[in-house]
Amino acid sequence: EAQVTQNPRYLITVTGKKLTVTCSQNMNHEYMSWYRQDPGLGLRQIYYSMNVEVTDKGDVPEGYKVSRKEKRNFPLILESPSPNQTSLYFCASRGPNNYGYTFGSGTRLTVV
Amino acid sequence: AQSVTQPDIHITVSEGASLELRCNYSYGATPYLFWYVQSPGQGLQLLLKYFSGDTLVQGIKGFEAEFKRSQSSFNLRKPSVHWSDAAEYFCAVGAPSASKIIFGSGTRLSIRP
Repeated sequence: EAQVTQNPRYLITVTGKKLTVTCSQNMNHEYMSWYRQDPGLGLRQIYYSMNVEVTDKGDVPEGYKVSRKEKRNFPLILESPSPNQTSLYFCASRGPNNYGYTFGSGTRLTVV
Repeated sequence: AQSVTQPDIHITVSEGASLELRCNYSYGATPYLFWYVQSPGQGLQLLLKYFSGDTLVQGIKGFEAEFKRSQSSFNLRKPSVHWSDAAEYFCAVGAPSASKIIFGSGTRLSIRP
């Protein structure tokens, strides 16, 4: 089954404790992206990657890092999480020509 | 500026009634348009998409949307809603070479029994 898999689904952490949210897709998509979803704001792009070793900032990249060492994986790294990064995070991938994204099930992160 | 506006934050309709969710966009290039649905605790599922051609597009779960270029709109419709349609709906716009798609802030749909 074609899918984007994120882990963990839920995470509670403390301010300043580094964490990584993993994302993996099995569709051989070149393009992957991270979004965060906050009430009333819709989904905002954090980072994206057009291919292996090619990443770029989205609209709200501050406080986040990503890496793309292989095509299937695109982890999101929070080096020093803060409470304003409490949010619902989605990883997504798409094939060529922007024919719609496939989203993961989301990771609900709480930073206390 | 590129943007998507969903003017209705929350809509309640009776089961069996018709539904229309509004979406207006501002986009410099020829847009690709999408509607996604998010059920509680779930990820986003693509309902339908418009790239070109017939401006009335059919999607999954009985939904359809009409692209009106003159009004910069892409409204979502369903003739008769079911209780299982209660969810949040997102309109989005993008382009073939774009690095992202831009989402509206969403419309939450509640169904009255």
